[in-house]
Amino acid sequence: SQQGEEDPQALSIQEGENATMNCSYKTSINNLQWYRQNSGRGLVHLILIRSNEREKHSGRLRVTLDTSKKSSSLLITASRAADTASYFCATRGSARQLTFGSGTQLTVLP
Amino acid sequence: DVKVTQSSRYLVKRTGEKVFLECVQDMDHENMFWYRQDPGLGLRLIYFSYDVKMKEKGDIPEGYSVSREKKERFSLILESASTNQTSMYLCASQLLGGSYNEQFFGPGTRLTVL
Repeated sequence: SQQGEEDPQALSIQEGENATMNCSYKTSINNLQWYRQNSGRGLVHLILIRSNEREKHSGRLRVTLDTSKKSSSLLITASRAADTASYFCATRGSARQLTFGSGTQLTVLP
Repeated sequence: DVKVTQSSRYLVKRTGEKVFLECVQDMDHENMFWYRQDPGLGLRLIYFSYDVKMKEKGDIPEGYSVSREKKERFSLILESASTNQTSMYLCASQLLGGSYNEQFFGPGTRLTVL
């Protein structure tokens, strides 16, 4: 069953702009992770935020988590063409496996 | 660096064939996972394993089986391939006790069943 749902499904921006993607989930979580997938490739882990954290930064990435609203957002600042990819949120609840959303396709235009 | 490799990037099989997808990781991870990825559906968990010879069903195990004879290798088996199993298959590994640990993914195998 899908836990996370990303919004929007697709996003197109100009290079240098910021990109914001949202993820909503249904049940309580242990942590939430964001992954990137370049076209036709495997997923690469970007950042993890624990349920007791509200915000986390890593380079140009900023993740927020609102457990009361069961939602998270991923902000990519000063986007580059190389950021073009699909982005997935994944939640970990009480079980050990992750549940992935359907992803946001980000296109950064040069 | 953790490396997860999958035996094939592209595979074409015929309906009814038995198909083996192999996954190998080189970081001594206990946990391994098989997902399939379809447009609009994201990643769906097929099977996972926390130890050698141990397996657990994920969300969509029907039509699949797995084998974990060695810690570093996790195989996905399609006993009798069908066209609705045409998909991208992704393998991942994770360190045990990884309450907060990420999963490391292989490059994927795009399987087409004719």
